[in-house]
Amino acid sequence: GAGVSQSPRYKVAKRGQDVALRCDPISGHVSLFWYQQALGQGPEFLTYFQNEAQLDKSGLPSDRFFAERPEGSVSTLKIQRTQQEDSAVYLCASSLRGRETQYFGPGTRLLVL
Amino acid sequence: AQSVTQLGSHVSVSEGALVLLRCNYSSSVPPYLFWYVQYPNQGLQLLLKYTSAATLVKGINGFEAEFKKSETSFHLTKPSAHMSDAAEYFCAVRRGRYGNKLVFGAGTILRVKS
Repeated sequence: GAGVSQSPRYKVAKRGQDVALRCDPISGHVSLFWYQQALGQGPEFLTYFQNEAQLDKSGLPSDRFFAERPEGSVSTLKIQRTQQEDSAVYLCASSLRGRETQYFGPGTRLLVL
Repeated sequence: AQSVTQLGSHVSVSEGALVLLRCNYSSSVPPYLFWYVQYPNQGLQLLLKYTSAATLVKGINGFEAEFKKSETSFHLTKPSAHMSDAAEYFCAVRRGRYGNKLVFGAGTILRVKS
């Protein structure tokens, strides 16, 4: 079956621009996660959804970062007024339920100039 | 708090040699531990996971890991390296209020020489 998909795969933004990153989880997966992976580092947790409810957003680095999952399926991570330090790969993962195995998408590589 | 430490940011082995990638964890409660592999420009793929059922865990592609509570370690091994094993490997522990977010180590890049 289809895995987790993310779009766009690559995004170049000028500093100060707003960007939106999309994640399509595996069909039927209740839980969805966003992670940020800076160059040469391991992924770091950003936020977690159970269906449409955002239960944990403790990893969002600033109020410029906003995530939503309005219908409990597709999720969008939005970054407002992008800064150079936002340059990273943004990974989305989904799982059948919260504590089950997380399946990762290929990521969106964001470069802020 | 739970965290993981991966010793060695780069490991180089010859094809056919033993692969050993080290991971140590810190945890105040029995941990759930994972190894993921990441190929260039791809997402993470689960290799194996420890969930307290057995201390020796077998995963995909011939990898296995042994949970050693006394050493707080969860090292990843493979008896014979293959060129296709060249990738970056991440150890992770599950934590969080809901017990489901993954905390990753910094990763180890495995190079396989022919």
